[in-house]
Amino acid sequence: GNSVTQMEGPVTLSEEAFLTINCTYTATGYPSLFWYVQYPGEGLQLLLKATKADDKGSNKGFEATYRKETTSFHLEKGSVQVSDSAVYFCALKGASGSARQLTFGSGTQLTVLP
Amino acid sequence: GAGVSQSPRYKVAKRGQDVALRCDPISGHVSLFWYQQALGQGPEFLTYFQNEAQLDKSGLPSDRFFAERPEGSVSTLKIQRTQQEDSAVYLCASSLVRDGKYYGYTFGSGTRLTVV
Repeated sequence: GNSVTQMEGPVTLSEEAFLTINCTYTATGYPSLFWYVQYPGEGLQLLLKATKADDKGSNKGFEATYRKETTSFHLEKGSVQVSDSAVYFCALKGASGSARQLTFGSGTQLTVLP
Repeated sequence: GAGVSQSPRYKVAKRGQDVALRCDPISGHVSLFWYQQALGQGPEFLTYFQNEAQLDKSGLPSDRFFAERPEGSVSTLKIQRTQQEDSAVYLCASSLVRDGKYYGYTFGSGTRLTVV
């Protein structure tokens, strides 16, 4: 079945530091890949997505590139802010027609210190 | 409404009690999903509806869990005889489907269930 393995946290960075959160996946075919963010007390919000190999998703300074050869979708940001403190989830939606639901990783807690 | 609405926001239940959790999806979203998120974990799929039809319930952990969406809009997740291991945040998501393609999932804020 489908699975997502995500870098374990928590991750603590200083403001303006470079961020990488690793994500690898197992799936048949070509799944769609997502990063969701969960701010304290709020629901999951879509951060970015990529639907085919070599696509780059980007939003709010975050980027992730769909790497089929390494089955990875690592999240990066060049300069984090305190407001980026949240839990980040990597997820996939299977390629097959019956795979409608998302499969999530376990989440990475990010804390950015001023 | 503008987003996916879930109620109650918090629920404390005594072990053995039955609970009902409500999800009001975005108007016009035919697809509706329920997920269970244990503390410190990612959401795990429970069940999926397309309109009023429950097309996949493979993620429901036991026969104490039951979900319905009788008119293809509001959905209720019911847990009978709650156990401590049912303590989690229950998330609902809805999605627009057009020509067989999915156009994003919108998640509600969840219901935090604590079984004591």
